[in-house]
Amino acid sequence: GAVVSQHPSRVICKSGTSVKIECRSLDFQATTMFWYRQFPKKSLMLMATSNEGSKATYEQGVEKDKFLINHASLTLSTLTVTSAHPEDSSFYICSASGQGASSYNSPLHFGNGTRLTVT
Amino acid sequence: AQSVTQLDSQVPVFEEAPVELRCNYSSSVSVYLFWYVQYPNQGLQLLLKYLSGSTLVKGINGFEAEFNKSQTSFHLRKPSVHISDTAEYFCAVSDRNFNKFYFGSGTKLNVKP
Repeated sequence: GAVVSQHPSRVICKSGTSVKIECRSLDFQATTMFWYRQFPKKSLMLMATSNEGSKATYEQGVEKDKFLINHASLTLSTLTVTSAHPEDSSFYICSASGQGASSYNSPLHFGNGTRLTVT
Repeated sequence: AQSVTQLDSQVPVFEEAPVELRCNYSSSVSVYLFWYVQYPNQGLQLLLKYLSGSTLVKGINGFEAEFNKSQTSFHLRKPSVHISDTAEYFCAVSDRNFNKFYFGSGTKLNVKP
């Protein structure tokens, strides 16, 4: 089945530094990628939607200058948390949909998430 | 716009007992409905989906769900749970182009021996 690889699975960084999270579709072309943030005991909050080659569309309340999303190819999207602060600590999950991913049977494929801890 | 409500944040149940996790949605357009399962520190795995056809859908791990249009519900059921079913379960809806997914707040299923 379709696979989405997210890296790193865990990262600890110091306050003020930037962190890049990668999301790759391994066996299909991800025309659309979604980035979610999951707070403890809460649901997934959609942060932004990105289409290959286009600027990401951010949800209301998400700072686009802080959470930089790049979707330069059909297999890779990156989320960069710039000037991270402790309140950015969270679990970030990417998901992808697109061609060749048996979209009708399973339209959305998730990465395994990245646990970000900012100290 | 669509929204999803999962009223039960936690459901404790004994092993081999039946369980139902509730999901209600609201939408002004036709939607597709999904249940996902999340194990600790992992992404989401699709359990089952309703796209069209029979309102009773069967998924992996013995789970099933029934789409009830009049009650705008999509409750998840399993007749006999196992310890390994302990996880968090998310109900989700999407538009018919899969352009956006909206998730409920999740229900933690805790299966006790």
